[in-house]
Amino acid sequence: GAGVSQSPRYKVAKRGQDVALRCDPISGHVSLFWYQQALGQGPEFLTYFQNEAQLDKSGLPSDRFFAERPEGSVSTLKIQRTQQEDSAVYLCASSLDGQRNYGYTFGSGTRLTVV
Amino acid sequence: GQQLNQSPQSMFIQEGEDVSMNCTSSSIFNTWLWYKQDPGEGPVLLIALYKAGELTSNGRLTAQFGITRKDSFLNISASIPSDVGIYFCAGLPPLTGTASKLTFGTGTRLQVTL
Repeated sequence: GAGVSQSPRYKVAKRGQDVALRCDPISGHVSLFWYQQALGQGPEFLTYFQNEAQLDKSGLPSDRFFAERPEGSVSTLKIQRTQQEDSAVYLCASSLDGQRNYGYTFGSGTRLTVV
Repeated sequence: GQQLNQSPQSMFIQEGEDVSMNCTSSSIFNTWLWYKQDPGEGPVLLIALYKAGELTSNGRLTAQFGITRKDSFLNISASIPSDVGIYFCAGLPPLTGTASKLTFGTGTRLQVTL
């Protein structure tokens, strides 16, 4: 597609429930990023893929967070046993070449609310 | 995690006025980026700056990369209603480890009155 597509746009989860957030990057984009944006804050880095390789996962807040990109295109961010502090907008971005390439295109995000 | 300091936090201006906002860091960045985020959307890149002292324009927007490499500012001239939104700075550190990890600022919320 023309842009980065994320689904669902909104997700309400009960505390303790597992969730999976999907990102469809721009076709042909090598690099894919996940960011977490809490209300009133700037996005914070979670993890980075180059093709199917997860090169940096230093921003994942706990071992309840897991991301994958098995075929180097679509990516899924999974959060197990959700907690209220996980409530945020989860943004996905892709770029043609992640090595110092700044042409990130962000998706519209998934707003996760944990109740 | 670390976030860059942006000021002002919010501003109300009248249409036609010029706007200035800045971003500071305690550490050095090799690249500064400025994004705009509308409600319910992801950030959209406005301007990218690649070296200290660089001054770059994009239409009514002008941004500068500070000489110390620890700050940047964004100016918007002759503001119009569609300039409303949240402006974020973001920085890329020197090439260590994963160079593509952006650090974002805390944001400046701009509201324009007619």
